[in-house]
Amino acid sequence: AQTVTQSQPEMSVQEAETVTLSCTYDTSESNYYLFWYKQPPSRQMILVIRQEAYKQQNATENRFSVNFQKAAKSFSLKISDSQLGDTAMYFCAFMKHGGTNAGKSTFGDGTTLTVKP
Amino acid sequence: DTGVSQNPRHKITKRGQNVTFRCDPISEHNRLYWYRQTLGQGPEFLTYFQNEAQLEKSRLLSDRFSAERPKGSFSTLEIQRTEQGDSAMYLCASSLWFTQGTYEQYFGPGTRLTVT
Repeated sequence: AQTVTQSQPEMSVQEAETVTLSCTYDTSESNYYLFWYKQPPSRQMILVIRQEAYKQQNATENRFSVNFQKAAKSFSLKISDSQLGDTAMYFCAFMKHGGTNAGKSTFGDGTTLTVKP
Repeated sequence: DTGVSQNPRHKITKRGQNVTFRCDPISEHNRLYWYRQTLGQGPEFLTYFQNEAQLEKSRLLSDRFSAERPKGSFSTLEIQRTEQGDSAMYLCASSLWFTQGTYEQYFGPGTRLTVT
């Protein structure tokens, strides 16, 4: 079974600054995806960024980038030029990509990020 | 493409009553998932369907819970004889599955259940 750990329950950052959210995971699988999801207060969960485990290059999406360290089973999210709209709970998630039971996700307990003006 | 929709968005019920939630996935998605999320926690997997077949159920899904996906389109999640511990956000997600694997899930807005 997979586990996902987010060790920072809460974080805050000043607007326009950079913040990094940590995530570690444990798995014996080799074919998997990792995700960061954003869940604003009382709003829908949306995908922020995706990383395929077979890719060595770290994924980037505009102001969001990841540091994927496969051997260390670490997957951190960096948010650059933080904006007030980035205030949300952020979840790290693991998903087996192929084979039996592929598709369901295992989530961490989340990090609540507050961007301060 | 209107995304994943869920109804109702909020449900308040008394302990012992039955409730049913509905999820409409993205139309071309063949997989549909149900998760439960309690306050301050990440979503926990409950069950999933590939087309109309229910392929896996979590141990979290007691006998009081049942899910269906007739004709491989929308899905319903029913909770019988609700208990206060059932109070949570119930999330639905859908994805495309190919023989090579599956890709990211798209989540609905959730149904928040409060059992009094």
